[in-house]
Amino acid sequence: EPEVTQTPSHQVTQMGQEVILRCVPISNHLYFYWYRQILGQKVEFLVSFYNNEISEKSEIFDDQFSVERPDGSNFTLKIRSTKLEDSAMYFCASSGRTDSNQPQHFGDGTRLSIL
Amino acid sequence: GENVEQHPSTLSVQEGDSAVIKCTYSDSASNYFPWYKQELGKRPQLIIDIRSNVGEKKDQRIAVTLNKTAKHFSLHITETQPEDSAVYFCAATSTGTASKLTFGTGTRLQVTL
Repeated sequence: EPEVTQTPSHQVTQMGQEVILRCVPISNHLYFYWYRQILGQKVEFLVSFYNNEISEKSEIFDDQFSVERPDGSNFTLKIRSTKLEDSAMYFCASSGRTDSNQPQHFGDGTRLSIL
Repeated sequence: GENVEQHPSTLSVQEGDSAVIKCTYSDSASNYFPWYKQELGKRPQLIIDIRSNVGEKKDQRIAVTLNKTAKHFSLHITETQPEDSAVYFCAATSTGTASKLTFGTGTRLQVTL
């Protein structure tokens, strides 16, 4: 069964540094998402992406965050200047077809630790 | 925006018993309600979902019910097994391009022998 893959599995970064999290969505999917989960808390929406542009973003997704689909397979989340409170598990998800209400499938996540 | 509440936060049942987790949502426009199971350190895994045009859906030992009028939906697990132990999240979203999921706060289910 096709899966969403994310790299790296764990990223340790100094506060203030830039970090890029990478995702390869399921190949025929058209909608891409980033969520984050602070340890022990619920999953929170960050951003959705469709047709090479952001569809929706949350309050968490401020100017320090950006997303990109640099080629036909990768979908990246960049945090420009990391803060301690950015420490969390970041999940990429994708869903298929042109209508919504398609299940979102999650990757294994990247654990981001800011020192 | 949408707000999803979930309870209980923890649930302990004996193997073979049933478990019920309940969620309420606030946005009447929400029309898709998935349930995810998350084992420790792993990805949320979709286990069942329901759309607003049906009131109940079942898949083997798992069932979900939806009451649109009351804006609540529930997950029912029958004949629980130790491997059902995990955190379960409900979520809600409405029709729209790249619709975001709003998650509940999670229920930690512990199935004891």
